[in-house]
Amino acid sequence: SQQGEEDPQALSIQEGENATMNCSYKTSINNLQWYRQNSGRGLVHLILIRSNEREKHSGRLRVTLDTSKKSSSLLITASRAADTASYFCATDAGGNYQLIWGAGTKLIIKP
Amino acid sequence: KAGVTQTPRYLIKTRGQQVTLSCSPISGHRSVSWYQQTPGQGLQFLFEYFSETQRNKGNFPGRFSGRQFSNSRSEMNVSTLELGDSALYLCASSLVAGGYNEQFFGPGTRLTVL
Repeated sequence: SQQGEEDPQALSIQEGENATMNCSYKTSINNLQWYRQNSGRGLVHLILIRSNEREKHSGRLRVTLDTSKKSSSLLITASRAADTASYFCATDAGGNYQLIWGAGTKLIIKP
Repeated sequence: KAGVTQTPRYLIKTRGQQVTLSCSPISGHRSVSWYQQTPGQGLQFLFEYFSETQRNKGNFPGRFSGRQFSNSRSEMNVSTLELGDSALYLCASSLVAGGYNEQFFGPGTRLTVL
């Protein structure tokens, strides 16, 4: 069964707008990671946030983690066409640092 | 540094056959994980190898097996193929463990079972 569940399943926005996607999980974690997958570059790591961190930034990306609500959000600011991809969250709740993945959010950036 | 490589990139097999997929991790990475991805699905964890030992195993039947060599290269084998095994198989390498630090993914092997 999936540990992480992304919401929404699909998101379509205009270029330049911000995109927010959420991830919820069920059990306690040490780390949560976000990845992006598109046909051109495959699956790529975006950001890792540890359970003792609340927020992390990387370029146009901002990730928050709320361990009390067992949820995380990924914000992409000033979206670009190249951000069109599927975004996955993954947690280490599998034990022994095994990653468990959500089904992903499909993001489409319209020109 | 060279990235994670997977061979072959595409495979077409028929039911009942077996298949072996190969993965070469990034130099210095000791952890190799394998995932199955089907359309519209997230990644389903198959297994993880670290220093030639299987450290974690997902919920897949025994037809799925793997191994890791002393140079960290890994192979996975699927025996008695079924139609439902058609998927993208992804290999990922990391320094220590996939859940502890970032994973680097290969391009995948697209397996089609007819």
